Amino acid sequence: AQKITQTQPGMFVQEKEAVTLDCTYDTSDQSYGLFWYKQPSSGEMIFLIYQGSYDEQNATEGRYSLNFQKARKSANLVISASQLGDSAMYFCAMREGRTGGFKTIFGAGTRLFVKA
Amino acid sequence: DTEVTQTPKHLVMGMTNKKSLKCEQHMGHRAMYWYKQKAKKPPELMFVYSYEKLSINESVPSRFSPECPNSSLLNLHLHALQPEDSALYLCASSQVSTGYNEQFFGPGTRLTVL
Repeated sequence: AQKITQTQPGMFVQEKEAVTLDCTYDTSDQSYGLFWYKQPSSGEMIFLIYQGSYDEQNATEGRYSLNFQKARKSANLVISASQLGDSAMYFCAMREGRTGGFKTIFGAGTRLFVKA
Repeated sequence: DTEVTQTPKHLVMGMTNKKSLKCEQHMGHRAMYWYKQKAKKPPELMFVYSYEKLSINESVPSRFSPECPNSSLLNLHLHALQPEDSALYLCASSQVSTGYNEQFFGPGTRLTVL
């Protein structure tokens, strides 16, 4: 059965430093997509970055990069140069299958605190 | 326009009330979703509409009734809710195509059932 594991309930990082949020996944599918979302205290889920299972290069979007290690089934999010506005809950998520794969499985989340 | 809007932002209702949550998107997405999120938990999928037809119902109690009147609108009708239904209700939309399409979420409706 598909599963997403985020083992860090909370993380602290100093402003302007880099931080890595861990995510491991379990699936028997060869084709899947991995996502990271940010949820500030306001509640809105904000899409950050996506990695496809067949993508050979790690995804990057501005200060966000995804460290994809397929053999280890890990998809860690790296945030460079942390900002106070990065304080939020971060969810790792996965979709299996191709067209019509509407179900997204979310991890438990990691609460990130950025210190000034 | 990459925005999903939800109204109302906050809703307080009694267990005998009937209310509706509304979601709207103008990105041309043909898949729309309802999620329920309890505090400090990840979102849980409730319903999925694809091309205005109900595609997934995750065994949600009948006191929650979804409706997709057109490709831009998604409603969630609420009736005879229980206090444990208090949560953040998130709407999302995405494309329906090959590959894996990210979902765009609305800001949510915070529901309190008294």
